[in-house]
Amino acid sequence: EIVMTQSPATLSVSPGERATLSCRASQSVSGNLVWYQQKPGQAPRLLIYGASTRATDIPARFSGSGSGTEFTLTISSLQSEDFAVYYCQQYNTWPRTFGQGTKVEIK
Amino acid sequence: EVQLVESGEGLVQPGGSLRLSCEASGFTFSTYAMHWVRQAPGKGLEYVAAISRDAKTIYYVDSVKDRFTISRDNSKNTLYLQMGSLRVEDMAVYYCARAVCPSNLCYIDYWGQGTLVTVSS
Repeated sequence: EIVMTQSPATLSVSPGERATLSCRASQSVSGNLVWYQQKPGQAPRLLIYGASTRATDIPARFSGSGSGTEFTLTISSLQSEDFAVYYCQQYNTWPRTFGQGTKVEIK
Repeated sequence: EVQLVESGEGLVQPGGSLRLSCEASGFTFSTYAMHWVRQAPGKGLEYVAAISRDAKTIYYVDSVKDRFTISRDNSKNTLYLQMGSLRVEDMAVYYCARAVCPSNLCYIDYWGQGTLVTVSS
């Protein structure tokens, strides 16, 4: 099983600032990685697929990068609606595995 | 608009059974793989099961193998998860999700709102 490790667990950021979230895979997943955003009481929402392609209707302030074992989600200028938990997930092999999540909170 | 509506929420004793359903609309159900993902209270996300669009390929996470059965009825646009021998650790919100499969590697692009399964005596 591929273990996905996200860091940091919690990120405190002021509105308008840049946020950088990391995700590491225990073995290569090539570019087969997605990022999801989840707000309290809601289902996750797809942000990024293929490590770097924004999903439909996702604002340009969200960007993804990386391949192999190291991935990054960057939010260029945090808006109030971006405070949430973010999960990475590999879809290269079964079982599909998620990271434990990074909570982005208001500083 | 893609809609996935789960039902079957309930309280069940350890060892009991429950069937979840997920009614899909807004897209051609028979052309998409479908997945179930769960989230225990206050915890992260865990894949449970997946089924190909023609139901010929099925996957289960090890912890539910031989206890859960995923199935679909393309004529009814409905996905199912039959859960048996339920354990306290199965207690979670269960999400139905649509998957897209470019190059035969599938990822979830839409999620339902989830349905809560409570396992307790």
